[in-house]
Amino acid sequence: NAGVTQTPKFQVLKTGQSMTLQCAQDMNHNSMYWYRQDPGMGLRLIYYSASEGTTDKGEVPNGYNVSRLNKREFSLRLESAAPSQTSVYFCASSPKGFGNTEAFFGQGTRLTVV
Amino acid sequence: AQTVTQSQPEMSVQEAETVTLSCTYDTSESDYYLFWYKQPPSRQMILVIRQEAYKQQNATENRFSVNFQKAAKSFSLKISDSQLGDAAMYFCAYRDGGSQGNLIFGKGTKLSVKP
Repeated sequence: NAGVTQTPKFQVLKTGQSMTLQCAQDMNHNSMYWYRQDPGMGLRLIYYSASEGTTDKGEVPNGYNVSRLNKREFSLRLESAAPSQTSVYFCASSPKGFGNTEAFFGQGTRLTVV
Repeated sequence: AQTVTQSQPEMSVQEAETVTLSCTYDTSESDYYLFWYKQPPSRQMILVIRQEAYKQQNATENRFSVNFQKAAKSFSLKISDSQLGDAAMYFCAYRDGGSQGNLIFGKGTKLSVKP
């Protein structure tokens, strides 16, 4: 049972390069989320998708785009990477919103933009 | 907007002792949920315990328990009989009762366990 799988686990980009972070879950969850984690800041929501075909901005969406490709997959794209986007990125999923149920997190992607 | 505050950036506890991590939150909602997540050096986010706001009884999970004070908007985590494996970052998180509610995290408390 893989749960939530993120790829890649590590990435170094040059300023201005683009890349896509991939996330897939095999738990048939409706909702998926992208967070970023910075030292001393906790986790902050970038974008979320309440269900297949819908996406909404979170707290820090600038510089990012997302695609909910199907129920399983939710990708995060950086069109023109900036040093301020150096962070650890987490994908998460839950059955329908979080409710009081457990949210399942991927293992994170450490992204460095130089 | 809802906020979550963890006032202790770092805490330390002796193995087998008890430690309490503090969390306060601000909300005007009456229906919400509170969580504590553990993040070890592996980066994996692990749910430790959850509390529904409508429940008066404090949640417990083995050595982990909470002190939920709704009127004071306080949600502290008590770890009893601390073990070396408890060393990690701990995040308090809040979620509205609505089905689309986001998880809002505090900035975290780094817990060290001394042998």
